[in-house]
Amino acid sequence: AQSVTQLDSHVSVSEGTPVLLRCNYSSSYSPSLFWYVQHPNKGLQLLLKYTSAATLVKGINGFEAEFKKSETSFHLTKPSAHMSDAAEYFCVVSDGNTDKLIFGTGTRLQVFP
Amino acid sequence: DAEITQSPRHKITETGRQVTLACHQTWNHNNMFWYRQDLGHGLRLIHYSYGVQDTNKGEVSDGYSVSRSNTEDLPLTLESAASSQTSVYFCASSETGYNEQFFGPGTRLTVL
Repeated sequence: AQSVTQLDSHVSVSEGTPVLLRCNYSSSYSPSLFWYVQHPNKGLQLLLKYTSAATLVKGINGFEAEFKKSETSFHLTKPSAHMSDAAEYFCVVSDGNTDKLIFGTGTRLQVFP
Repeated sequence: DAEITQSPRHKITETGRQVTLACHQTWNHNNMFWYRQDLGHGLRLIHYSYGVQDTNKGEVSDGYSVSRSNTEDLPLTLESAASSQTSVYFCASSETGYNEQFFGPGTRLTVL
């Protein structure tokens, strides 16, 4: 069965410092992987998506993620955090060929001035 | 612009009442999904539909039902609301064969 594990429930950084949100996945086949962001009291917005093309995926707002099959990881990074990055981030894996998605439990990113 | 809307945005109801949450999308997507979001659980799938007249149970479907009479709408019904169903509910849609989902703004439901 497919699953994702987000290794940190909370991450705090200072504005201007790098961001690292960690995600490990489990899949019996080559998965599609996503990062979604949820700002307070809002719906979910797609940040980026991996679908077996380039292993380094660039997303919106300066975020990127690297697919590492050997480590079964799909960590999200950003070189310099901005106050507006404060939000909940979800790592997501596709559920086979069903068009369904399986969500991690989320990482809350706090950004301090 | 195409969008997905949910109504109401906030709802307070009493235990035992029937509640229906609306979801409407103008993407013309075949796939529609209902999730609930609770602290520590992320998003969990309640029901989903791959097209008109098609409905399927997700991992937390007990106490919920859906029906799909057209492409645009997938209403979620709580037959007899329970306090355990207090949550934030999200509707999403996607095109067949494409697993990127587009989400609505959510409905916050409180069952007293």
